[in-house]
Amino acid sequence: EADIYQTPRYLVIGTGKKITLECSQTMGHDKMYWYQQDPGMELHLIHYSYGVNSTEKGDLSSESTVSRIRTEHFPLTLESARPSHTSQYLCASSDRRSEAFFGQGTRLTVV
Amino acid sequence: KNQVEQSPQSLIILEGKNCTLQCNYTVSPFSNLRWYKQDTGRGPVSLTIMTFSENTKSNGRYTATLDADTKQSSLHITASQLSDSASYICVVSDRGSTLGRLYFGRGTQLTVWP
Repeated sequence: EADIYQTPRYLVIGTGKKITLECSQTMGHDKMYWYQQDPGMELHLIHYSYGVNSTEKGDLSSESTVSRIRTEHFPLTLESARPSHTSQYLCASSDRRSEAFFGQGTRLTVV
Repeated sequence: KNQVEQSPQSLIILEGKNCTLQCNYTVSPFSNLRWYKQDTGRGPVSLTIMTFSENTKSNGRYTATLDADTKQSSLHITASQLSDSASYICVVSDRGSTLGRLYFGRGTQLTVWP
């Protein structure tokens, strides 16, 4: 079992609320990623980080922001949630052999 | 443009039967290729890794092949079980920089019927 954790597992919030999705890994990996995945669809990279104080936007435009102040922690923040943000968010980290370890995901519903 | 294409998009087979999933990629320079299994509602889990010099690798009932010349990979599942029902994702890593970017295919949704 991979040592990467996401919280919360499920979240239902109202439009306009600010939320932060947490992701932590204890494997010491430098590379971390956030993916967005709709049911039955492919993963879309929305943010990635190659180390502390390094963050980049991914292929899919996202209104979310990320930070990487500590190696083990890579939170994702939505300043003002909207129904279009309803999706599953998967956090991952990768080792030197590029094996990605995924968290269980956060299923977000914005009403 | 670096891309990973998978086929078929979905597949239904009967329990006990074999199946083969395909992955074509244009990622360059190539570092390695992994097949992941993603159960519904969970994060993907790595099944196999293929590097440039490897042609075949097995992990139980899963056998992956790689042809680096044609940039194709396949995942063969033998004697399928109901628990094999999942999405199988092909992921290619580049080595164009120290960053080791990951490129994901759309996945093949496999359903095994009893």
